[in-house]
Amino acid sequence: SQWGEENLQALSIQEGEDVTMNCSYKTYTTVVQWYRQKSGKGPAQLILIRSNEREKRSGRLRATLDTSSQSSSLSITGTLATDTAVYFCAWASSGSWQLIFGSGTQLTVMP
Amino acid sequence: NSKVIQTPRYLVKGQGQKAKMRCIPEKGHPVVFWYQQNKNNEFKFLINFQNQEVLQQIDMTEKRFSAECPSNSPCSLEIQSSEAGDSALYLCASSLEGVSGNTLYFGEGSRLIVV
Repeated sequence: SQWGEENLQALSIQEGEDVTMNCSYKTYTTVVQWYRQKSGKGPAQLILIRSNEREKRSGRLRATLDTSSQSSSLSITGTLATDTAVYFCAWASSGSWQLIFGSGTQLTVMP
Repeated sequence: NSKVIQTPRYLVKGQGQKAKMRCIPEKGHPVVFWYQQNKNNEFKFLINFQNQEVLQQIDMTEKRFSAECPSNSPCSLEIQSSEAGDSALYLCASSLEGVSGNTLYFGEGSRLIVV
């Protein structure tokens, strides 16, 4: 992606393992969102983290945001086969109406 | 389950044909977005609206693409003369406000195949 990148394009793990996906971006933002897109479906937001939070948890998900390094991560603990999907980080430049998506990480969780 | 409804789910068009897709945003969401997602899962922003007004659009949209969000009717995205490179998943999303701190709710998309 012209605007950002995610460090790993594809991950394949066993059910029960933990996984972390990383995202870096090149434009200033104070909010990063993580979306999951399952096969044949549209993206669905998983978690939204703001710069004043640094870390946010939701169930088995944990997101971090480091605005100084312009990076974010999404961790999933105790993965399930149903977590198999493409995961995207997304952000918007200040004052923009356009949400920019990273290139995505294909996560495959094998039962 | 998605509350943003996109139709049709699939459409197959010949080169040069028109292709039209529709979107009903989630009730009460005034902001609507259209994205193009290619086979590599890359997103390209096309256009967005607040109520019936265009907020932002890319150059590509101004040429062969047209879109509108009339009041009391579905939003639509139309490609006037389809090209092979237009083959993609077209995603519609809606939100309550702008993008910075707000969730976008996506439909399941309309997959266009140009043969």
